[in-house]
Amino acid sequence: SQQGEEDPQALSIQEGENATMNCSYKTSINNLQWYRQNSGRGLVHLILIRSNEREKHSGRLRVTLDTSKKSSSLLITASRAADTASYFCATRGGAGSYQLTFGKGTKLSVIP
Amino acid sequence: DAGVIQSPRHEVTEMGQEVTLRCKPISGHDYLFWYRQTMMRGLELLIYFNNNVPIDDSGMPEDRFSAKMPNASFSTLKIQPSEPRDSAVYFCASSLRGSGSYSPLHFGNGTRLTVT
Repeated sequence: SQQGEEDPQALSIQEGENATMNCSYKTSINNLQWYRQNSGRGLVHLILIRSNEREKHSGRLRVTLDTSKKSSSLLITASRAADTASYFCATRGGAGSYQLTFGKGTKLSVIP
Repeated sequence: DAGVIQSPRHEVTEMGQEVTLRCKPISGHDYLFWYRQTMMRGLELLIYFNNNVPIDDSGMPEDRFSAKMPNASFSTLKIQPSEPRDSAVYFCASSLRGSGSYSPLHFGNGTRLTVT
């Protein structure tokens, strides 16, 4: 069953703009991860945020986590055409849990 | 590092035929996962292994699906007999336990299976 649900399902922006994607989940988590998938390729890990963290940065990526609302957001600043891809959030349960449960993703299109 | 290697990249087969998908994880990784991706259901975990031992196969759809990991560098997912509803992209991923539950997954580029 799906744990995370991304919103929106699809997003189209101009190059240089910021892109924000949201993820909601249902049960308590140990950590939440974001992945990117280019067309015809496997998923690539972008960033991980632990349940006791509220915000994390990596280059042009900013992730927030609100465990009280069971939600996370991924912000990509100054988007580039190369950012065009699908973005997935994935959650991992309690200690010792190694399964990652993925949402259905947000399809981002960055128009040059 | 070559990353996770899956073969074949594409497989087209007729209903009722046996299909075998192959995966070589990243050397040194001790967890291996098989996922299936479809438009309708997204990414579904089928089974995962730790140190070549199956830990959780509750996601395997039915008895037609089986997975093995005979050694640390090779795993197979077999479908026998295949059905049109098995058409999907099948991904293999591996991870290293070292960081515990914080370990990211490293995915292969998948096998696109079409069953006619």
